[in-house]
Formats: sequence, C-alpha cells, structure tokens
Amino acid sequence: EDQVTQSPEALRLQEGESSSLNCSYTVSGLRGLFWYRQDPGKGPEFLFTLYSAGEEKEKERLKATLTKKESFLHITAPKPEDSATYLCAVRDNNAGNMLTFGGGTRLMVKP
Amino acid sequence: GAGVSQTPSNKVTEKGKYVELRCDPISGHTALYWYRQSLGQGPEFLIYFQGTGAADDSGLPNDRFFAVRPEGSVSTLKIQRTERGDSAVYLCASSPRGAEQFFGPGTRLTVL
Repeated sequence: EDQVTQSPEALRLQEGESSSLNCSYTVSGLRGLFWYRQDPGKGPEFLFTLYSAGEEKEKERLKATLTKKESFLHITAPKPEDSATYLCAVRDNNAGNMLTFGGGTRLMVKP
Repeated sequence: GAGVSQTPSNKVTEKGKYVELRCDPISGHTALYWYRQSLGQGPEFLIYFQGTGAADDSGLPNDRFFAVRPEGSVSTLKIQRTERGDSAVYLCASSPRGAEQFFGPGTRLTVL
C-alpha cells in the first residue's frame, strides 16, 4: 500500500527565513510525485511534477527536489503570501491514475 | 479557459437524505477524478473516469456512493442515505490523459 508522510505538520517562519518541507513516500513503482498548494477554503493548486531521482523544478521562491525515498520543497526567502498548506502526492505504477496524498504541511509566514 | 467548477459550493443536509454533487471539468480533459478531504487531512481518492466509464472506483467507501459521467464531460457524485461521517469537502479534478490533475474549489458537505 502506498504511503506518503509529510513533515513537519506545521511550520512558522519569519518573512525571509528560508526552510524546507519534507515528503517521504513508499510506492511499488513511482510514476510521478506531485506538489500542490492549498489555500483555506479552496481546492489544491498544482505546483510541480517530479518523475525521477535527481530531478529538480523551480517556480519563483519554490524549488522541489526528488530522491528515491523523499522529496523536498525548498522555500527561499518566503513572503507572507506563501502561507498555505502544501500537499505532496504520489502516483504508483500499479495503482492506475489515482493520487495518494500526504497530510500536508501548514506553512505560516509572518511579516 | 475556465478551470474546474463544482456546484454547490456548500451543501447542508440531514442524516438519511440523498445528495448530488456536480463537477464541470476543464474543456477537453478526458480524465475526471473525485476525492474527499476531511479537515486537516490530505484528499483521499474516490473514483476515476476516463471518458464516460469509471476506470477505477476502488476508493468509494461503500455502495451508498455512486458517480456518473454520461457524456464524458460533467460528472455527478451521488450519496444515498447520508451519514454524519460523510461530512467533508468533496473535490473534483480533471486532467488530459495521464497528466497532472487540476482541482476545483470543492463542495463542502455537512450532514446534520
């Protein structure tokens, strides 16, 4: 059974204080690891897809990296508008097209 | 173009009642997914359509839950004899075949 664990559950940063969010996963065969951002009362917003170990993707202050067992979402010099819940999900070769999500990391960036 | 839309945005019902939740996917997306999200948790998969047929319904919790997509576009999630434990946000997503899933805003269902 696929498992996705995100840590920490919650993270408070000062504006400009860089940090990383962790996503550990267990799948039989990875067919994509996905990062989403979710604001309160809204649906998840797609950020990145990573397919193989060593791959990196960047978007503004965010950079996602992937190893064979985990992914990191690095946030450089965050701003208050980066406050949200960040969700990680995996798609397994043997599980069709469904995504298995972690519980998310709630990020709060204080000015 | 427009994103995934879901109606209603909020639904309050009484235990034992029947509810229908609607999803309009992004135009041209052949795949459609339903997920359920409880407070403080990540979304959980319910069902996946490729075209008109349910390609994977392994996430439906029991036979009170049913979903259709008769013309390969709009989908309806139907819940019979609702229970308080069904209260959650129901999310719909669509994608071009095999690609990233784009989510709608969700329907918040409250069963009293």
